[in-house]
Amino acid sequence: QVQLQESGPGLVKPSQTLSLTCSVSGASVNSIAYYWTWIRQPAGKGLEWIGHTHISGDSNYNPSLQSRVTISADTSNNQFSLRLTSVTAADTAVYYCAAGRDFWPYWGQGTLVIVSS
Amino acid sequence: EIVLTQSPGTLSLSPGEGATLSCRASQSVRSNYLAWYQQKPGQAPRLLINRASSRATGVPDRFSGSGSGTDFTLTISRLEPEDFAVYFCQQYGDSRTFGQGTKVEI
Repeated sequence: QVQLQESGPGLVKPSQTLSLTCSVSGASVNSIAYYWTWIRQPAGKGLEWIGHTHISGDSNYNPSLQSRVTISADTSNNQFSLRLTSVTAADTAVYYCAAGRDFWPYWGQGTLVIVSS
Repeated sequence: EIVLTQSPGTLSLSPGEGATLSCRASQSVRSNYLAWYQQKPGQAPRLLINRASSRATGVPDRFSGSGSGTDFTLTISRLEPEDFAVYFCQQYGDSRTFGQGTKVEI
C-alpha cells in the first residue's frame, strides 16, 4: 500500500517560490509503476492537475503552469518535490501529492498553502 | 485542452435512492480514458472508476460507470449514508483535466 505525506510551508509571500515535498512509503520513487504527481484544489473549488515526474525522466506539466513548475524526485530520500515560482494569490490551494499513472489510486492528505504578504 | 462539464451541480436525494451523475467532454475522450473520484469534506479524493467502467479495488458494486466518446455517467444504485459527497470526473486521454464536480447531498 503506497502512502504519501506532503510537507512544506503553509504560507508563501507573493512573487516567491512555493516548495513542497512528498514523502513516499510502501513504494520506491525508482519504481517504473508510478508517476509521481501533484494536484491542487482551491478552497471550495475543483481539482487541477499540476504535473508529474517518472523515474524514466518523463516529466510533464499542465500547460497553464508549465513556465513556473518543476517536479523532481529525490531517490536517496524516497521523496519527490514541487517548485512553483512567482506565486500569486491565485496559487492559494490545498496541494495534494498522488501516485499512479494516468489516474491516481493513492493520495496524500493534502496541505494548505496560502499566498499572502 | 479537453473541458469536462458535470451535471447537475448538486443532486439532492435520500438514502436508498439511486443517483445518476453526468460528465460531458468538449471532445471525444481517447479510448474512454475517464475516471471518477469521490471526495468528502477535508479528505483527499478517492478513486472509484477508471477506463470509464472499471471499478477500483475495494469500491462497492453499487457504483458503476458507463459511457463513451463525449458522454459518461456514474451511477450509484442505492445511496448509503457514506455516499453523500462530491464526485469528480477526470480524463486522461489528452493530458489530464477534471470536471468541476457534482455534490450529492441529503
